[in-house]
Amino acid sequence: DADVTQTPRNRITKTGKRIMLECSQTKGHDRMYWYRQDPGLGLRLIYYSFDVKDINKGEISDGYSVSRQAQAKFSLSLESAIPNQTALYFCATSDTTGNSGANVLTFGAGSRLTVL
Amino acid sequence: DAKTTQPPSMDCAEGRAANLPCNHSTISGNEYVYWYRQIHSQGPQYIIHGLKNNETNEMASLIITEDRKSSTLILPHATLRDTAVYYCISSTDSWGKLQFGAGTQVVVTP
Repeated sequence: DADVTQTPRNRITKTGKRIMLECSQTKGHDRMYWYRQDPGLGLRLIYYSFDVKDINKGEISDGYSVSRQAQAKFSLSLESAIPNQTALYFCATSDTTGNSGANVLTFGAGSRLTVL
Repeated sequence: DAKTTQPPSMDCAEGRAANLPCNHSTISGNEYVYWYRQIHSQGPQYIIHGLKNNETNEMASLIITEDRKSSTLILPHATLRDTAVYYCISSTDSWGKLQFGAGTQVVVTP
């Protein structure tokens, strides 16, 4: 099984619908992240969480919300999906243990969302 | 965080070494250099990182110039499975807020 699992892997929805993308990890990491990738571009950070009680906005958080239900679970919600939220979404985790200042991310396989 | 500059694309022959350059001329003393790669829309995969010294692991080597303004990722014996987009990132942020640019599309040919 993958260390970082994202569901669903593919989703097609309509404008105005509420969508939830889920992420679970078995690495025991404290930190979890949601990134978005548009075609031909790099990844942009949406939200990140350092632990269950900590949620932080990234560079493109408008139109998104998150929930950290447990150390292992971090969900991304689109309250009212719009077509320009069509993208590939990645969840990632990292560990604070033995942190020397560097931060190495482990990514999930991605969730492809299409909003019609 | 320092902005990085990478060539948009490069080709490499299978079995040869692939040398991927990255310019980070505004890097500060406490910024790490990270390399990730992404194979055809899969999740990015960590390759290697370094601060000042050259680093080597089972995947690649990272050569950082003495002034730290540029670095080179070396894939010693490229295979077809190394075809991917390679991202060079510099960051002081130990909390994972890495800024991914467009990267270098590497195509390994037989």
